[in-house]
Amino acid sequence: GQQVMQIPQYQHVQEGEDFTTYCNSSTTLSNIQWYKQRPGGHPVFLIQLVKSGEVKKQKRLTFQFGEAKKNSSLHITATQTTDVGTYFCAGMVRPGDNFNKFYFGSGTKLNVKP
Amino acid sequence: ETGVTQTPRHLVMGMTNKKSLKCEQHLGHNAMYWYKQSAKKPLELMFVYNFKEQTENNSVPSRFSPECPNSSHLFLHLHTLQPEDSALYLCASSQENIGEQYFGPGTRLTVT
Repeated sequence: GQQVMQIPQYQHVQEGEDFTTYCNSSTTLSNIQWYKQRPGGHPVFLIQLVKSGEVKKQKRLTFQFGEAKKNSSLHITATQTTDVGTYFCAGMVRPGDNFNKFYFGSGTKLNVKP
Repeated sequence: ETGVTQTPRHLVMGMTNKKSLKCEQHLGHNAMYWYKQSAKKPLELMFVYNFKEQTENNSVPSRFSPECPNSSHLFLHLHTLQPEDSALYLCASSQENIGEQYFGPGTRLTVT
């Protein structure tokens, strides 16, 4: 069935190092969203990518959507302790009916050592 | 953030109890979602409502019963739960089942 795979499951970095998480879908996505969940918190929307090959930046965060719209990545440059949390991707598929389906990746838990 | 509220924030219940979780969104959205988040499966979609109509039921056991009386309120009725149902239950809303989802703070449920 449809699913979105996300790797790695965990990542431990030293503050100042870079971090990347990847998502791959078995089918073409209409769009992909990224969320961040701080420890003890709830997922918070970061960004949505819609176009093939799209790249968006938010300060130290760079989001990419693959040309085939089946994969995506989130890259954080020079991590800070405030980046700690779990990062989820959510791929949207538009089936034949009118209702869209979201498939969340399993998340990458980022720990940053000061 | 107060766009999506959930009550109670914590709930402990026995396996024979009946309880309900409540979600309310103040964002004017018309799609609402229930998710289960546990250590084993980080984010599991349970139910989706679009314009008060249930459009998704992800093979959820019948001991979980959703109710959406209007586009601002969503309930999850619980009865005869199992210890493995202990988890964080998150409610979310979005505009017309597209775009970003706004999550509530969740209800931490413990079944004893």
